[in-house]
Amino acid sequence: GDSVTQMEGPVTLSEEAFLTINCTYTATGYPSLFWYVQYPGEGLQLLLKATKADDKGSNKGFEATYRKETTSFHLEKGSVQVSDSAVYFCALSDPGNQFYFGTGTSLTVIP
Amino acid sequence: NAGVTQTPKFRILKIGQSMTLQCTQDMNHNYMYWYRQDPGMGLKLIYYSVGAGITDKGEVPNGYNVSRSTTEDFPLRLELAAPSQTSVYFCASSYPGRAGEQYFGPGTRLTVT
Repeated sequence: GDSVTQMEGPVTLSEEAFLTINCTYTATGYPSLFWYVQYPGEGLQLLLKATKADDKGSNKGFEATYRKETTSFHLEKGSVQVSDSAVYFCALSDPGNQFYFGTGTSLTVIP
Repeated sequence: NAGVTQTPKFRILKIGQSMTLQCTQDMNHNYMYWYRQDPGMGLKLIYYSVGAGITDKGEVPNGYNVSRSTTEDFPLRLELAAPSQTSVYFCASSYPGRAGEQYFGPGTRLTVT
């Protein structure tokens, strides 16, 4: 079945460092891909999405490109801030509207 | 526009007690979901609903029940609470055909002792 695999955490970075969180997927069809963010003590929020190959989703300085050839949707940010400390979830929605979350990657940014 | 609201925010139950977690959305979303999130873990789908009167099991439905009498409300019932049900519970909703774009409530932190 369809699934999402994301890199294990936790990840600790210094402020202004470059961030990459890896996400790969397995799907039989043409899924849509998403990144969600969960700030401490809150519910999840949709961060960005891409609905077809080569699409780039972006929001709040974060970017991710839908790479069909490598079945990947890696999350990147050029310069992280302390306020980016959160748990990041990669997710997949298949054409049948089934939805799959990754296990989450915790990011801590230190000043 | 409040989005998805959940009550209560926190609750402590004794083993064997029952309770209902409330979830309401004001976005007229047909699809609604209940997840649980154990410490340091991802989300697991408990139940979901594609519209009023229609519910279906997710990955971990045992020990829970749901109902969907209106578009707005999707309560989750715990019968005979067990320590294994200690978790944070999230309700979410989405438009039909857009299951990937879910709106989450703030969560209910439940402890069963």
